[in-house]
Amino acid sequence: GDSVTQTEGPVTVSESESLIINCTYSATSIAYPNLFWYVRYPGEGLQLLLKVITAGQKGSSRGFEATYNKETTSFHLQKASVQESDSAVYYCALGDNYAQGLTFGLGTRVSVFP
Amino acid sequence: EAAVTQSPRNKVAVTGGKVTLSCNQTNNHNNMYWYRQDTGHGLRLIHYSYGAGSTEKGDIPDGYKASRPSQENFSLILELATPSQTSVYFCASGDGREGDTQYFGPGTRLLVL
Repeated sequence: GDSVTQTEGPVTVSESESLIINCTYSATSIAYPNLFWYVRYPGEGLQLLLKVITAGQKGSSRGFEATYNKETTSFHLQKASVQESDSAVYYCALGDNYAQGLTFGLGTRVSVFP
Repeated sequence: EAAVTQSPRNKVAVTGGKVTLSCNQTNNHNNMYWYRQDTGHGLRLIHYSYGAGSTEKGDIPDGYKASRPSQENFSLILELATPSQTSVYFCASGDGREGDTQYFGPGTRLLVL
């Protein structure tokens, strides 16, 4: 089946440092997977951070970026300079083009300290 | 003005009892989903729906039924609850556009004793 593997947390970083959360996927049943990063901030629900549906393209939101690399089956999330408000749990996920639901990674808890 | 709401938010059930988890969305999305989340696992898909009257099996449907009586409502039914179904359950609606972005509810924490 399909699977997503991401950086095991927790990850602790200092404010203004860079952050990278690795995500690799295996899409055995999906020819052209769509890739997502969802985030859960403390006290809030799970929400979309960014998505990319075309291989080779980059998505960005709130200073975060992720590039869909079909060759390495990766979709790493990066931010050049984090803030305390980026403390959250980040989930990488993949889906198909038929709205048959998402396959999620385990999530990575990120704590940013001032 | 939460667009996806779930009820109850917390539930304690007995083994062998029937449990119904409800989800309501005001996004007017055709697609809806039920997931569960357990320690050591990401969210896992139980059932989904493409519209009123439609239900489809997800990756882990055993022990669960789903019902979609209307565009807005999607229920998850545990006919005979077991302790292994203790989990946090999330409902989501999907907009069906470019990868089908999903919008999640706050979750229901279910404890089966």
